[in-house]
Amino acid sequence: QVQLQESGPGLVKPSQTLSLTCSVSGVAIDSGGHFWSWIRQHPGKGLEWIGYIFYSGATTYNPSLESRLKISRDTSKNQFSLRLTAVSSADTAVYFCTRDRTGALEDWGQGTLVTVSS
Amino acid sequence: ETVMTQSPVALSVSPGERATLSCRASQPIGDNVAWYQQKPGQAPRLLIYAASFRATGVPARFSARGSGTEFTLTISSLQSEDFAVYYCQQYNNWPRTFGPGTRVEVK
Repeated sequence: QVQLQESGPGLVKPSQTLSLTCSVSGVAIDSGGHFWSWIRQHPGKGLEWIGYIFYSGATTYNPSLESRLKISRDTSKNQFSLRLTAVSSADTAVYFCTRDRTGALEDWGQGTLVTVSS
Repeated sequence: ETVMTQSPVALSVSPGERATLSCRASQPIGDNVAWYQQKPGQAPRLLIYAASFRATGVPARFSARGSGTEFTLTISSLQSEDFAVYYCQQYNNWPRTFGPGTRVEVK
């Protein structure tokens, strides 16, 4: 059974960098065919796909965030990470990490709330 | 970007009744659609993939159909645990996009 768990600061100051890590158990993140994604949900709102890192290490980002975004991985720890620079209040959201093989998100972390505030 | 729209915004249904939710894509996306259920304070849960296939463990009262631009999710006989928000999502084009959700409420 695949399990994902997000971790990172719950409060980030405006203009600073948001960094989150997703710890994965049950499958190696560099095993074939998996997409490892970050999704966010603004308070009381819908879902937004941030980007993903493929099992090969290739990344694809949402164009709306691409200039501020980096997704990376540490295969030795079986983790992947999100780094979003120059944050504002518009980045306040619950951030989820997910796994899929086709585009339908099969497994989700519980989510972590990140608030951008001074 | 493929825009996903959902209707209605909210649906009031009595337990045991049928609920039909709609999702429309702004351009053809084949059958590359998933449906999710989200309850308060929880992560979304995958219900349907490839427009009509139930994910592992999803009860048979959930069914879905559609292709191209029009998709529906039907819950045949609502149980208490089905009251939630339902999202559709396309994965035919990048960026993958979600609909705004339909809230299924107790009547």
